[in-house]
Formats: sequence, structure tokens, C-alpha cells
Amino acid sequence: EDQVTQSPEALRLQEGESSSLNCSYTVSGLRGLFWYRQDPGKGPEFLFTLYSAGEEKEKERLKATLTKKESFLHITAPKPEDSATYLCAVQAGGGYNKLIFGAGTRLAVHP
Amino acid sequence: EADIYQTPRYLVIGTGKKITLECSQTMGHDKMYWYQQDPGMELHLIHYSYGVNSTEKGDLSSESTVSRIRTEHFPLTLESARPSHTSQYLCASSGGTEGSPLHFGNGTRLTVT
Repeated sequence: EDQVTQSPEALRLQEGESSSLNCSYTVSGLRGLFWYRQDPGKGPEFLFTLYSAGEEKEKERLKATLTKKESFLHITAPKPEDSATYLCAVQAGGGYNKLIFGAGTRLAVHP
Repeated sequence: EADIYQTPRYLVIGTGKKITLECSQTMGHDKMYWYQQDPGMELHLIHYSYGVNSTEKGDLSSESTVSRIRTEHFPLTLESARPSHTSQYLCASSGGTEGSPLHFGNGTRLTVT
């Protein structure tokens, strides 16, 4: 059964304290792994797509990496505005862009 | 900036009422989706559409129905709302190529009393 597990559930960091969020997945025929950011009361905002093991993507203080079993979202020197829930999702074979989501990691960055 | 719009943002209604949640996108995407999200939980797919006159049920059983008469419009209807329908409903769309990311609206938070 296709499954996505994110850890930790919640993470509290001090401003400038780098860390990583984990997304472990089991899926038949990975078509893509997606990272989203969700702020309270809003819909998820697309961050990255990774398609194959070894691939890396960067955006400002965020860097996403992918292996055959998991993905990491590295946050370097975070700021309070990076506080949000970060969602991981995988697309399996199926032809209609169906995404299977993890429950997310709630990140709080304190000044 | 989101090009997918959901209305209303918040809705509180009584049990037994019929409601329609609106979703429109201006990106010309063929594929559209409805997800349900409870606090701290995963998003679950309840309906999707490949294009006009195409609708399918998702993985999560839902008593709602959808229609796709126009490319840009994908409304969701509950014929008789119940407290168990209380949740956040998120609409999304994506481009035609496999692996295209989903673009989400800001959701409708529904409370059924």
C-alpha cells in the first residue's frame, strides 16, 4: 500500500538553528515527490518536485533531497517567517496526478 | 499568487441543509481535485476530474458530489449536510503532464451544527 510518513510531527527551532525534516515513503512506481508549505488558514503552497534518487532542489533557505526511500527538507539558518506546516506528497503511477500526502511537520521558529 | 479561488472561505450551516462549495481556476488546467483535510491530518482525495464531463471518486469515501461542466469550474455539493461533514475542503488543479504539481486554493472551512 502506498504510504507517506513525515517526522517529526512538530519541530521548534531557534532562529538560525538549522535542521532537517524527513519524509519516508513506500510507493509503487514513483512519478514524483512534492514538498508544500501550508500556513494556517491557507491552502498548501508548492515548493519543490523531485523525480529521481540523488536529485536536489534549493530555494532560499530550503533544500530538498531525495533517495529511493525518503526525502529530506533541510532548513538552513531559519527565520520566524519560515514557521509553517511542511507537507510531503508522492505521486504514484496512475496517470491522473493523484498525490498521497503525509500528515506534515509543524515547524515553529522562534526569534 | 493563487489562481484558484474557493468560496466561501468559511461556512456554518445547520444539519440537513444543501450546500455547494465553489472552486474556479484561471490557469486552463484540465485536471482538478477536491481534498478534505482535518486538523493535523493528511489531505485525503475525495473527487477528481480529468476534464469537462469527467469526474471520479477519490480514495476517501464521501457523500458529496461534483460536476465539471466548464474547464474552469469544479463545484462540490452536499445534498444534506451532517456534523460529520465538518472539515476543511481544498480544491486544486494541475497541468496535463505527469508529475505536474498541484496548485491549491485557500480552502473552505465547513462547520455543520
